[in-house]
Amino acid sequence: QVQLVQSGAEVKKPGASVKVSCKASGYTFTSYGISWVRQAPGQGLEWMGWISAYNGNTNYAQKLQGRVTMTTDTSTSTAYMELRSLRSDDTAVYYCAREGYYGSGSYFPWGQGTLVTVSS
Amino acid sequence: EIVMTQSPATLSVSPGERATLSCRASQSVSSNLAWYQQKPGQAPRLLIYGASTRATGIPARFSGSGSGTEFTLTISSLQSEDFAVYYCQQYNNWPPVTFGGGTKVEIK
Repeated sequence: QVQLVQSGAEVKKPGASVKVSCKASGYTFTSYGISWVRQAPGQGLEWMGWISAYNGNTNYAQKLQGRVTMTTDTSTSTAYMELRSLRSDDTAVYYCAREGYYGSGSYFPWGQGTLVTVSS
Repeated sequence: EIVMTQSPATLSVSPGERATLSCRASQSVSSNLAWYQQKPGQAPRLLIYGASTRATGIPARFSGSGSGTEFTLTISSLQSEDFAVYYCQQYNNWPPVTFGGGTKVEIK
């Protein structure tokens, strides 16, 4: 079945970087894009950006430009999201999701989420 | 950026009753709208895409309607497993993709 499995929880200090992985299975990785969405504790969903697994093209949320980098490794069907210069308000659950369900821009499936805690 | 506004923020409903959730876009998104359900500690789950098409495996009690700027998610007869937070998402004009703030459906 189509599945996205993310890396485990991380605890980082302010100013550090974090890199979250998202391993895809059950479909042709390069046929879909991967989006990243985060959710701060008790808050709603915030779109972070998108990467084409076909050619590596990216689109990032304006507020994260310069701090975020999304990449893919087609040899392992894995997407990565790196966030630098971490601040306390980056504490959130980070999700990857496959974009393009039946040709739409909706997201299915989602990874299980990775909790990133930023604390001194 | 298209702003998505969901109402109400919280909806109190008895099991077996009908629930109607609203989502409004700040400008037309055509039918490029999805609905997601999220339970505590879980990732969001796609319910509806294209404003009105149920995703695979989604029960028929969930239905979506609307186009342009006004959208509705209806749960015809609430089951215990339907108590959750629901988000709408537009993917018509992006970047950025934008989500509504969510509607929490709670037991009355």
